[in-house]
Amino acid sequence: QSALTQPPSASGSPGQSVTISCTGTSSDVGGYNYVSWYQQHPGKAPKVMIYEVTKRPSGVPDRFSGSKSGNTASLTVSGLQAEDEADYYCSSYAGSNNVVFGGGTKLTVL
Amino acid sequence: EVQLLESGGGLVQPGGSLRLSCAASGFTFSTYAMTWVRQAPGKGLEWVSVISGSDGYTFYADSVKGRFTISRDNSQNMLYLQMNSLRAEDTAVYYCAKGPRSGWYPYSFDSWGQGSLVAVSS
Repeated sequence: QSALTQPPSASGSPGQSVTISCTGTSSDVGGYNYVSWYQQHPGKAPKVMIYEVTKRPSGVPDRFSGSKSGNTASLTVSGLQAEDEADYYCSSYAGSNNVVFGGGTKLTVL
Repeated sequence: EVQLLESGGGLVQPGGSLRLSCAASGFTFSTYAMTWVRQAPGKGLEWVSVISGSDGYTFYADSVKGRFTISRDNSQNMLYLQMNSLRAEDTAVYYCAKGPRSGWYPYSFDSWGQGSLVAVSS
């Protein structure tokens, strides 16, 4: 299973919006509505921010939103805050009971 | 409160074996599929293996198939990962994780342990 493609870095100023893309194929992102996004601060475990493309777990600010078009999923962070600076990983179900992750995007809040 | 606590990591020589454990609490363990995810130093996340709640179904990434075995003891709320024939490229922090829904739901993970470091080196 090949990893999903994410940009290595993204940035924005406080209050701005930033969108991170996650590109796969019709065998993963495009084939299932099981895309998730995880936030990981240095030295910490990942935390789910979005699952099933658009769903936000309780406790996750509504500044975080997810979407999908074709084989590309996106995470948008609105109203950027300093604490949003972290690594973000997308994942997708890839069939045959496998999950594939993206390579990760380092989000910098300028 | 859901808690997942991994243990059993350490330094092992290439070709050696190690068993990771994950102690779960705060939820009805036997009704949830459980997953191992790993992260090599400075690298991204990699899905390793998943096990169903009570049926015993198991699935593995190609990179570990035939070398790693996932298992669970629902009476003790424990998840395990037996790792044999370890290679340098297996060096990583290993996380256990559960999904947001009970039943067969291996698609995403809403609770993670703190991770256990496995280092394979001579």
